[in-house]
Order: sequence, then C-alpha cells, then structure tokens
Amino acid sequence: GAVVSQHPSWVICKSGTSVKIECRSLDFQATTMFWYRQFPKQSLMLMATSNEGSKATYEQGVEKDKFLINHASLTLSTLTVTSAHPEDSSFYICSARGPGQGREKLFFGSGTQLSVL
Amino acid sequence: SQQGEEDPQALSIQEGENATMNCSYKTSINNLQWYRQNSGRGLVHLILIRSNEREKHSGRLRVTLDTSKKSSSLLITASRAADTASYFCARGGSGGYQKVTFGIGTKLQVIP
Repeated sequence: GAVVSQHPSWVICKSGTSVKIECRSLDFQATTMFWYRQFPKQSLMLMATSNEGSKATYEQGVEKDKFLINHASLTLSTLTVTSAHPEDSSFYICSARGPGQGREKLFFGSGTQLSVL
Repeated sequence: SQQGEEDPQALSIQEGENATMNCSYKTSINNLQWYRQNSGRGLVHLILIRSNEREKHSGRLRVTLDTSKKSSSLLITASRAADTASYFCARGGSGGYQKVTFGIGTKLQVIP
C-alpha cells in the first residue's frame, strides 16, 4: 500500500523559532499533498494544498508567510512554521493522494505534535 | 463549504455490540470516504463509497449512502476493543479530484 512518512513526530520549540515538518511518500510519487491542522477533539482543518513544482494553494484564513510550503520533488513536501508562537501549537498532519486508481483516497502521515513554549 | 456533521460525537459500547455512526453533508459529492484515527496518530482510510452506490461492505464495516438525504452511515459489527478510535467521514467534492473535507468525527469507545 501507499505509505506516507511524516517527520518529526513531535517537536518542542521556543517562541520565535521556525520549525520544519517533512512529509514523504515512500513508495509512490505524490504530485499533490495536503497539510492539515487539528486541535484537540476537533476535526482536521485543511491548511493548504501542496503541488509539486508550483506554489501551494492556501485555504482562506491561513497565512502563507507564516506557514511556508515547499513541494520540490514528487516525494517530498515540507511545511515550515515560521516565527512560531504558542497559538501555533497544534497537531499537523500531511496526506497525499494515492497512486494510480487509488487517487481518490488519501494516505496520511502519522502527524507532528508541535508545542511552542 | 462542504463540511457536514457526524453524529453522535461520542459513542461508548460494549465489546461485541454493533456501532453505528452517521454523517451528513451539504453539497454534492463525488464520493464519501470514512477514515479512522487512533489518538495522536494520522488517519487511515477505511472505505470509499461513490455517489452512484448505495451500500458497500468491507469486512466488519458496512457503509450506506443516501444522496437524496445527503447522509451516510458507517456500521461496525461485532465491535472489538481495538476498534476504539475516532472515525471521520470525508466528502470528496464533485468535479474530479477535488479536495477532501472532513467532519468533526465520532469518538468510539469499545469497552472490553
């Protein structure tokens, strides 16, 4: 099956620092990846759609300068939370559309718990 | 927005019982998908039902779709403690491979 790896699983950082989260498709090429944010006991909020070789498409209300997305290859998308603040603390999850006939399904990374002190 | 709602938001049952979760949505869909999330983890795809299908089975899972009522249900039969997780329905938009939007989910607890 399609495997998506997300790293790191958790990160603690000081306010004002930047944090990079990686999302890799291990056994397939992902031209499109999605980044979600999830607060405790809430649903996944789509932040942006990451497209290989082009600029990401951000959802309304998501600051593109705050959440930098780079999708430089067919297997890697990164989300950088710049100048992180405590309100950015959340669970971030990436996903990719499956390969071939499975493109309607999403395959998720295991998520990154970000805690900003 | 295509966001709808799942209900109940929380469900607690005894092992061996069936669990039913419902999902409603507001706009037209191409497909509806159900995902499972264990606490603090990513989501795992369970089953996809297309807009022209009414029912689908996968192991102990049964999904129904009523496009006239814009609703779907997920039935887990003979539940096990390992089924304890949050379950989300996700609406795949119409018009090809549009973004997938999630509901708030149902937190299922199966008591051994």
